[in-house]
Amino acid sequence: GIQVEQSPPDLILQEGANSTLRCNFSDSVNNLQWFHQNPWGQLINLFYIPSGTKQNGRLSATTVATERYSLLYISSSQTTDSGVYFCAVVNPTGGGNKLTFGTGTQLKVEL
Amino acid sequence: GAVVSQHPSWVICKSGTSVKIECRSLDFQATTMFWYRQFPKQSLMLMATSNEGSKATYEQGVEKDKFLINHASLTLSTLTVTSAHPEDSSFYICSARAQIDEKLFFGSGTQLSVL
Repeated sequence: GIQVEQSPPDLILQEGANSTLRCNFSDSVNNLQWFHQNPWGQLINLFYIPSGTKQNGRLSATTVATERYSLLYISSSQTTDSGVYFCAVVNPTGGGNKLTFGTGTQLKVEL
Repeated sequence: GAVVSQHPSWVICKSGTSVKIECRSLDFQATTMFWYRQFPKQSLMLMATSNEGSKATYEQGVEKDKFLINHASLTLSTLTVTSAHPEDSSFYICSARAQIDEKLFFGSGTQLSVL
């Protein structure tokens, strides 16, 4: 099946700093989403971005499908940004519409 | 926005007992629901896909007789962990795909601890 690797696995930031999270995938995708899992386990959908660039406040995301990667930018980070960030993809050749989650990036934003 | 309600949020049970987890789409109809399992500090792993009115499709390595899935209506799917053992302790998350636009929404998860 498709492999979805995220980097870095762990990241510690000072409040106000910017960061870039990366998601690499091993096959073509027709759906890519970024999620934030808060410390209580709730998954929040950040972006649906199979290609192109989108922005939502301090967050933006870019997917280059032909090169099989996506980036999530977090600017002016806040402590509430802490948690785990996952990308998830759907591989059309993999059968069905199943989301395969990446390995995740654990982010901690400190004061 | 669309809401998926998952209950219970956490459950502690004795080894050998069965536990039922409910996943409801509150304000939309979901033809397909997914069940995931997440171990501490790991990613979400898909266990099974359930479609309303039909048998669930299980991922490789997931025991269908141990993890019983029922999707009896367009708004409710249940996962029953039968004869639970300590190794079944995990965080279980459901998601529902909206019939109208196929967007995916997630429940808040269930932390299962088997003693």
